[in-house]
Amino acid sequence: GENVEQHPSTLSVQEGDSAVIKCTYSDSASNYFPWYKQELGKGPQLIIDIRSNVGEKKDQRIAVTLNKTAKHFSLHITETQPEDSAVYFCAARPRGSARQLTFGSGTQLTVLP
Amino acid sequence: GAVVSQHPSWVICKSGTSVKIECRSLDFQATTMFWYRQFPKQSLMLMATSNEGSKATYEQGVEKDKFLINHASLTLSTLTVTSAHPEDSSFYICSARRDRDPQPQHFGDGTRLSIL
Repeated sequence: GENVEQHPSTLSVQEGDSAVIKCTYSDSASNYFPWYKQELGKGPQLIIDIRSNVGEKKDQRIAVTLNKTAKHFSLHITETQPEDSAVYFCAARPRGSARQLTFGSGTQLTVLP
Repeated sequence: GAVVSQHPSWVICKSGTSVKIECRSLDFQATTMFWYRQFPKQSLMLMATSNEGSKATYEQGVEKDKFLINHASLTLSTLTVTSAHPEDSSFYICSARRDRDPQPQHFGDGTRLSIL
C-alpha cells in the first residue's frame, strides 16, 4: 500500500518568512495530493490540492509543487502570519474508485510574531 | 460549499455506555464517508470506509462489533462506539467525498470522546 513520509515534524519561522513542508510517497499509482491544515481541537481543513497531471499550483500565499519522477511534493507558504500556525498534513491517494487517503505524520508549524 | 457537520463535538460518558456520533454532509451528497481516529500529536488513522446503502469496510485491527457504522443516506453516516471503555477515548473525525475520483475529501470538526 501507499506510504507517505512528511518532514519536518516541527517548524518555527518568523512572521513574514516562508515555510516549506515536504512529503514523499511510495505508490507511483497515486494521482491526487491534498494538503490539510488542522487547528487545535478541530478537523482538518483542505487548503490546497494537486493532481498528478500538474507540476505546480498556487493559491495566494500557498503553493504546492509535485515531482512525479522523484515521488515527492511540497507545500510552500509565503509571507507567513501567526494565524498560519497549525498542524499541516499531506496526503496521497492512488488512482481508483474507492481508494482512501494516506496521510503523512504531520508538521507543527509555529509562526513567531 | 462542501461542508461536513459532525455532532456532538464533545462527549463525556461513563465506562460501559454506548455513544453515537453523527456526520452529515450539509450541501452535497456524499457517496463515500470515512471515519478516522486521532490520538494527541499523531496523524489520522482510518478506521472504516462506508458507502451509502452498503456495509462499511473496516481497516485491519478495527473491531466492527465495537465501532458500528451506518451510512443510511447520502448525507448521513453514524459511528456508534459500543460499550465504551477509557481506552476508546480519542478524537474521532468523519470525512465525506461527493463522488469517487477525483473529488476532494472534506472533514468534519471532530468529536472529542472521553470515557470515565
